[in-house]
Amino acid sequence: DQQVKQNSPSLSVQEGRISILNCDYTNSMFDYFLWYKKYPAEGPTFLISISSIKDKNEDGRFTVFLNKSAKHLSLHIVPSQPGDSAVYFCAASGARSSNTGKLIFGQGTTLQVKP
Amino acid sequence: NAGVTQTPKFRVLKTGQSMTLLCAQDMNHEYMYWYRQDPGMGLRLIHYSVGEGTTAKGEVPDGYNVSRLKKQNFLLGLESAAPSQTSVYFCASSYLGTDQLAKNIQYFGAGTRLSVL
Repeated sequence: DQQVKQNSPSLSVQEGRISILNCDYTNSMFDYFLWYKKYPAEGPTFLISISSIKDKNEDGRFTVFLNKSAKHLSLHIVPSQPGDSAVYFCAASGARSSNTGKLIFGQGTTLQVKP
Repeated sequence: NAGVTQTPKFRVLKTGQSMTLLCAQDMNHEYMYWYRQDPGMGLRLIHYSVGEGTTAKGEVPDGYNVSRLKKQNFLLGLESAAPSQTSVYFCASSYLGTDQLAKNIQYFGAGTRLSVL
C-alpha cells in the first residue's frame, strides 16, 4: 500500500521554464511534507517542507503547494536551471510518527532540465 | 563538516556471505535510520533507532539486523546475503527537539551500493 505516490517517473523541461513535480498521498493523518533532491552517487538532501496548516511555502525558486482536500502537493521550480536536474522525492510524516521522525517516501521523479 | 558518513561505499558479496554497513553521524542526533533504494520503489525504511541502545523495525526489516551501541553509530548487518538484497543503502539521522518541522528533516549519507551475486 503506497501511502505516498509520485506518479510521474520522469519530467523534462527547458531551461528557464517552470518545472512542476506532483505528489499524492492517501493518509489524512500526515501533517508534515518534505521534498528531497538527489544527485547520482549522492544521498538525498532536504529541499523544502510544508506543514499541513499551510497551503504554500516558498524558498527562492522553489515553492511547495499543499491541497489537503485533494491530498496532493506539488513542487514548483521557477525558473528551472540545468543544475536542478536530479531525482526529487516527496516524503510525509504524521503526528503519530513525530516521536520517531519516520518519513514515508514516494517513488521519486527524475527531472531533466535541458539547456 | 562530515555530517553522516557511510562505509563502505561499494561492496560485492556472494550469496550467503555476511557483512556489516557502518553509519556514523557527528551532529549529536538522537534518531537514526537505514533505508534501501530500489528502482521505482523510492526509499524504504529498514530499521530505525530513536536513541542509543534502542532499535525498531521499519517497513522492510526481514534479512537485516541493526545495533546502536553508541549514539553516533548505527550498524546494519546482513547475516546471510541474498540477491534480493542487491540495492543502494542509505543511512540518515535527525534530531530530537521541540521544533516539529525541523525534527522531521533527515540528513543522509552518500550511500552504500551493494551487489549480491
